[in-house]
Amino acid sequence: DADVTQTPRNRITKTGKRIMLECSQTKGHDRMYWYRQDPGLGLRLIYYSFDVKDINKGEISDGYSVSRQAQAKFSLSLESAIPNQTALYFCATSDSKEHQGETQYFGPGTRLLVL
Amino acid sequence: AQSVTQPDIHITVSEGASLELRCNYSYGATPYLFWYVQSPGQGLQLLLKYFSGDTLVQGIKGFEAEFKRSQSSFNLRKPSVHWSDAAEYFCAVGKYSSASKIIFGSGTRLSIRP
Repeated sequence: DADVTQTPRNRITKTGKRIMLECSQTKGHDRMYWYRQDPGLGLRLIYYSFDVKDINKGEISDGYSVSRQAQAKFSLSLESAIPNQTALYFCATSDSKEHQGETQYFGPGTRLLVL
Repeated sequence: AQSVTQPDIHITVSEGASLELRCNYSYGATPYLFWYVQSPGQGLQLLLKYFSGDTLVQGIKGFEAEFKRSQSSFNLRKPSVHWSDAAEYFCAVGKYSSASKIIFGSGTRLSIRP
């Protein structure tokens, strides 16, 4: 079983709709992240959470919100989707107590198309 | 501010040939450095990382990378590529003790010529 899972894997929605992307992890990590990937731009951080009560904006948080329902679950919402939010979205986790340097581990991604 | 540059957008090499993917970073202190690989339709998989110590780092799948402070580089190498290495490769730099401050390069797409 995968350590970091994302649902759905693919989603098509219309402009103005609210959608939620979900991320779950079985790694026992305390920290979780949401990124988006656009061609030629690498990955950009949307939000991150260092524990259930600690949520922080990343570099491109406008138009997004998040919820850390439990240590193992971190969901990303688009309140009113717009076409330029079409992208590949990745969830990642890390363990603040990891020896030899903290490393982020990624889920398989959710491909979102906003029409 | 941190930044990462991968100067090659797309590279094609023949199967069995050697490979070097370039990565240059900008960061004022000793960086944490990573290489990730993304196969088509997959998430990012960690190939290797550098935090301290030996500047030549061994990773999975036969990859290695060398941290050169004087050149602000962390190039990825493999002596003989396989068709299964075709993927996109991302270099990333992280800030000490702050995993949230990882900056990714724009990626290098590797194609393998039979």
